[in-house]
Amino acid sequence: QSVLTQPPSVSGAPGQRVTISCTGSSSNIGAGYDVHWYQQLPGTAPKLLIYGNSNRPSGVPDRFSGSKSGTSASLAITGLQAEDEADYYCQSYDSSLTEGVFGGGTKLTVL
Amino acid sequence: EVQLVESGGGLVKPGGSLRLSCAASGFTFSNAWMSWVRQAPGKGLEWVGRIKSKTDGGTTDYAAPVKGRFTISRDDSKNTLYLQMNSLKTEDTAVYYCTTHSRWLRFYCSGGSCPIDYWGQGTLVTVSS
Repeated sequence: QSVLTQPPSVSGAPGQRVTISCTGSSSNIGAGYDVHWYQQLPGTAPKLLIYGNSNRPSGVPDRFSGSKSGTSASLAITGLQAEDEADYYCQSYDSSLTEGVFGGGTKLTVL
Repeated sequence: EVQLVESGGGLVKPGGSLRLSCAASGFTFSNAWMSWVRQAPGKGLEWVGRIKSKTDGGTTDYAAPVKGRFTISRDDSKNTLYLQMNSLKTEDTAVYYCTTHSRWLRFYCSGGSCPIDYWGQGTLVTVSS
């Protein structure tokens, strides 16, 4: 059971917008620690999608955006494409556990 | 080009030990903070632990489930990261990824947990009798 809670699955049609939430607490996201997001395609290592809550590494399309408010963070994907079908994970730091933590992951299905 | 190549995975009995290695290239290994992340079959990502560069103290931190059983070390002369795993349990079965981050991402590290932009291909560790 992760301290960062993500919905197990989300889905959307091509071209639509979807959001994936990452809910934490006052010892992680709510304490001001940064949130990072990863995309993991089947059979591959994760790829950094968003760092520092809302920043995109070079090469990541601007269809992907991140935000943070209070004890939660969100990843938004606009103009959904078939190639976006993957697992998505949030990451932060928890001061009570004194360790890095990942969310449980969200499987995105493009209908 | 940054490359991280893990090795040493395999099948081990509960209670046994295994040492994973990660050969690094394409960056200044001695300056890098290195981490291990694992993923059980069909499950999510789990942070295992991290070692800082010697210039930053060389300290290690571990996730609670592995603390006292796993040890992360580094040999900067060989550009190699290690994960010594003792007293292995069936729940340690996972793909183990060697990871690091670009130095410019250090600003976004919290308590040693950093955004990860470089991952190895992973090595599978199976703990089973």
